[in-house]
Amino acid sequence: GQQLNQSPQSMFIQEGEDVSMNCTSSSIFNTWLWYKQDPGEGPVLLIALYKAGELTSNGRLTAQFGITRKDSFLNISASIPSDVGIYFCAGRDNYGQNFVFGPGTRLSVLP
Amino acid sequence: KAGVTQTPRYLIKTRGQQVTLSCSPISGHRSVSWYQQTPGQGLQFLFEYFSETQRNKGNFPGRFSGRQFSNSRSEMNVSTLELGDSALYLCASSLVGAPEQYFGPGTRLTVT
Repeated sequence: GQQLNQSPQSMFIQEGEDVSMNCTSSSIFNTWLWYKQDPGEGPVLLIALYKAGELTSNGRLTAQFGITRKDSFLNISASIPSDVGIYFCAGRDNYGQNFVFGPGTRLSVLP
Repeated sequence: KAGVTQTPRYLIKTRGQQVTLSCSPISGHRSVSWYQQTPGQGLQFLFEYFSETQRNKGNFPGRFSGRQFSNSRSEMNVSTLELGDSALYLCASSLVGAPEQYFGPGTRLTVT
């Protein structure tokens, strides 16, 4: 079945630093979603991407739909303590009716 | 607008029992999906309901079932619980035709 890989698995950064993470697939996707999950809570939708090359921002977050349609990237600028959490990507292809989720990137922000 | 709500938030059951979890979608959202989240397997799709019909199903045994009511509220049931069913069960709702899914806080199920 479809699988998504996310890298890095975890990262420790200093407050104020920029963060980059990515998500890759073995399949071509037509939709990418990025979520953040805090402990004990459900994932919160951050950004949705619908076409190759698309670049979308949500505050300090920017995500891109890779031109190969097999990857997506999420950048966080000027990180703050509340950015701590697990970031998930989710993708869906033209034939699938449900989303496949990546294993997540755990972000820790050091003061 | 209120978000997705799930009840109960926490549940402890013993092996062999059955459990029913409830999900109320965002007002106006008619599609409801269920996911199981575990540390080892991550987020895995269980099933999706729309207009009281199961539209899509993941690769889970028949012990996992669900239904949707006319008001779009959904329930999922797990029968003959196993230790491996311990997980966070998440419900997500979406507008018809829209890919964005909005998750509830989840129900933490512990099977002892």
